[in-house]
Order: sequence, then structure tokens, then C-alpha cells
Amino acid sequence: AQKVTQAQTEISVVEKEDVTLDCVYETRDTTYYLFWYKQPPSGELVFLIRRNSFDEQNEISGRYSWNFQKSTSSFNFTITASQVVDSAVYFCALSATRSSSNTGKLIFGQGTTLQVKP
Amino acid sequence: SAVISQKPSRDICQRGTSLTIQCQVDSQVTMMFWYRQQPGQSLTLIATANQGSEATYESGFVIDKFPISRPNLTFSTLTVSNMSPEDSSIYLCSAREGFRTEAFFGQGTRLTVV
Repeated sequence: AQKVTQAQTEISVVEKEDVTLDCVYETRDTTYYLFWYKQPPSGELVFLIRRNSFDEQNEISGRYSWNFQKSTSSFNFTITASQVVDSAVYFCALSATRSSSNTGKLIFGQGTTLQVKP
Repeated sequence: SAVISQKPSRDICQRGTSLTIQCQVDSQVTMMFWYRQQPGQSLTLIATANQGSEATYESGFVIDKFPISRPNLTFSTLTVSNMSPEDSSIYLCSAREGFRTEAFFGQGTRLTVV
């Protein structure tokens, strides 16, 4: 079975603070993909990053960085110098690769609501 | 990246009626999915829409309640049948070009059942 756990339901920080959103996943597949999405108050889902299970390199994109560790089944997301516009719900998701029972679906975690106060 | 259009964007429906939601992708995609997002909750997969065959439903969702069509590689519909207030939710269409790609999402259909 596949599962994604985002233990942090809500996080509140003051602008310019760094914040890390945790994501722990479970899968029996050896090849899989992990994703982060942002859902601002407007409601649309914005894709942030995709990482495959063979690539454990950390990634940095501007103020965003991601730490993928297979040993702990974690794919954590850090926002550096947070801004009010970062306020949103952030979802971590997992998709296993082709198998007889897999349709390419994404399984989502519960989401973490980030509030950045000015 | 694929652009997904959903119609209607919102609707208020009477209990016992049905609503069909349309999802149009601007390019051919391998995979299409339907999710439900209840207020303040995460996304729950309803089913995978299979082109030319019956959809693959997740546990807890049945074809009689949520019939899905996918006549080609760019279009799908989800019908919410015999609606009750518990069906009030946001319904999201999603598409992927392949296993190695991300999923894109429509803007969602906000359904209220009264």
C-alpha cells in the first residue's frame, strides 16, 4: 500500500523566517515519484517539484529547497526567508511506476497549511 | 505543460439531481483522473478515467454514483448522480502525460447540494 503522511497540520511563522514542511511516505515499489504542490487561497493546484526515487540529490530553486532521503522515506520542503505570498496549503504526493494495479495515480498527504504573518 | 479546463466552475444543485462535469485537456494525455476535495481536506482520488473502457474506481466510490466517460485522449466527464448534501465538495480533473511526468489539475468544480 502507498501512503503519504504530512504530520504538520498547520504552521505559522513570521515573515523572513525559514520553515520546513515534512513529508514521509510509504511504498513497496522500488521506482516511484514524489511531488510537492501548492494550493493558495484561490484554490488552484500549483506544481512545485517532481523527484524520482533514483535521484537523491537535493534541489534548490530560489527560496525553495527539497531534501529527499530514501533511508528515512522522507521528502521535506524548506522555504527560506518566507514571505506572506507563501501562505498556502502544501501537499506532498507519491506515485508509483507501472504495475498491473497502478494507473499512474497520485496519492496525496493530508496537507500542511502554512501561514506567514507580516 | 497541459492546460486543463473544467466546466462548470461552480454549481448549486438540488438534492436528488445529477450533475455532469466536463474536463478538456489542450493536448493528448495518457492518464486522466478525477479527485474530490472536501472543505479543508486533502485530495481523494475517485477514479482513473480510461480511454475507451470503464473507469478504475477507488475503494468507496462506485460507478452508479460517479459514472465517468473518456471517449478520447483529451476529454473526460464525471457525473455526480442522485446528489445529497454530502456530495458538496470541489471536484478536480487531473491529467498526466506519462509516469515520469507531473500531474496537472483543472481549476476545479465547486459543487453545493441543497
